[in-house]
Amino acid sequence: AQTVTQSQPEMSVQEAETVTLSCTYDTSESNYYLFWYKQPPSRQMILVIRQEAYKQQNATENRFSVNFQKAAKSFSLKISDSQLGDTAMYFCAFAASGTYKYIFGTGTRLKVLA
Amino acid sequence: GAGVSQTPSNKVTEKGKYVELRCDPISGHTALYWYRQSLGQGPEFLIYFQGTGAADDSGLPNDRFFAVRPEGSVSTLKIQRTERGDSAVYLCASRPSAGTKAFFGQGTRLTVV
Repeated sequence: AQTVTQSQPEMSVQEAETVTLSCTYDTSESNYYLFWYKQPPSRQMILVIRQEAYKQQNATENRFSVNFQKAAKSFSLKISDSQLGDTAMYFCAFAASGTYKYIFGTGTRLKVLA
Repeated sequence: GAGVSQTPSNKVTEKGKYVELRCDPISGHTALYWYRQSLGQGPEFLIYFQGTGAADDSGLPNDRFFAVRPEGSVSTLKIQRTERGDSAVYLCASRPSAGTKAFFGQGTRLTVV
């Protein structure tokens, strides 16, 4: 069975600074995807960034980038130039290729301070 | 539609009652998922449909929970004899057949009193 672990329940960062959220996972699958989702108080899950496990290059989306360490089963999210609108819950998720059934971590509550 | 729509947005019901939660996926998306998110937790998988059939229902907690998708579009999650422990946000997501990204609705917050 797959598991996803987020060990930081809460984090805070000053506006314009950089913050890194941690995520580790466990799986025996060879083909899979990893995701970071943002969930503001509206409850809407918004995809932040996605990484295909077969790609060695780390994914990047504007201010968001990941550090994907496949051997260590680690998938951290770096947010650069943090903005007040980044305040939200962040969930790391794993999905095996085929079903794309998501396994989520318990989340990290990020607060960006003005 | 433009996005995944879930109705109602909020539902309060009495213990022991029956409830139905509806999900309207993005048009053309063949895969549909239901998740349950308890307070302070990440979403937990309940059931996955590919077209009209349930491809994986391993996350349904017990036989009080049932879901259907009769025409391969709209899905309904049905909960019988509700219990206070069923209180949670129920999220629906859909995905196109050739895609890896799931699109989520805003969820239904179910409160059992």
